[in-house]
Amino acid sequence: SQKIEQNSEALNIQEGKTATLTCNYTNYSPAYLQWYRQDPGRGPVFLLLIRENEKEKRKERLKVTFDTTLKQSLFHITASQPADSATYLCALEESNDYKLSFGAGTTVTVRA
Amino acid sequence: NAGVMQNPRHLVRRRGQEARLRCSPMKGHSHVYWYRQLPEEGLKFMVYLQKENIIDESGMPKERFSAEFPKEGPSILRIQQVVRGDSAAYFCASSQQWGTPNTEAFFGQGTRLTVV
Repeated sequence: SQKIEQNSEALNIQEGKTATLTCNYTNYSPAYLQWYRQDPGRGPVFLLLIRENEKEKRKERLKVTFDTTLKQSLFHITASQPADSATYLCALEESNDYKLSFGAGTTVTVRA
Repeated sequence: NAGVMQNPRHLVRRRGQEARLRCSPMKGHSHVYWYRQLPEEGLKFMVYLQKENIIDESGMPKERFSAEFPKEGPSILRIQQVVRGDSAAYFCASSQQWGTPNTEAFFGQGTRLTVV
C-alpha cells in the first residue's frame, strides 16, 4: 500500500540550529514533491517544490533535497528562529495527476 | 487579492443533521479541491472541481457526501446525516491552471466540523 512517513517525533531545537525533517514514501512515483507549513488552526502554506530530476532546492533559509532512489526528501531549516515553530507537511504529486498526497507532518518547536 | 475564503470556520452539528461548507477560491482561480484532515493524520484528497464540473471525486465517500462548484457563487461541500466520524477539519484549495501540476496550491483556513 502507499505510505508517506514523516518524522514520527516532534522536533525541539535551539534557536540558531538547523532543523532537519524527513519524508519517506512507499509505492509512489512522484514527479513533484512539495513542502508546506501549517500553523495551529490554519491552512497549509506552500514553501517549496522540487521536481524528480532535481537533487536540491533552496529558498532563503530553507533547503530541500529529493532522492528518488532512497525514496526520500529532506527538509532543512537553517539558522532556525522561534517564528519557524509550526508543523511541516510533505506532499507528493505523481505525473499527470493533480492530487496531492500528504504526510501527517512533523511539529517543530524552536526554543529561544 | 483575498486568498481562499472558507466559511464557516467552525461548525457544530448534531448527528443526523446536514453540514454545508463553503469555499470561495482566489480571484481568477477556477479549480477547487477539497481535502479532509483528521487529528494526527495527513490531509486526504476528497474531490476536484472546475466550474460546473466534478473532475475527480475518487476521494469522497459514496454515501452522504456531495460537492458542487456552480457557475456563480462558492463551491459547496455538503455532508448529509452527519455522524461523529465526520468530525474533522475540511480544507479547500484553489489553483489557476488545470490541476496543480508543479504549481503550488493555495489553501483556505479550513472549516472545523464537530458532530455532537
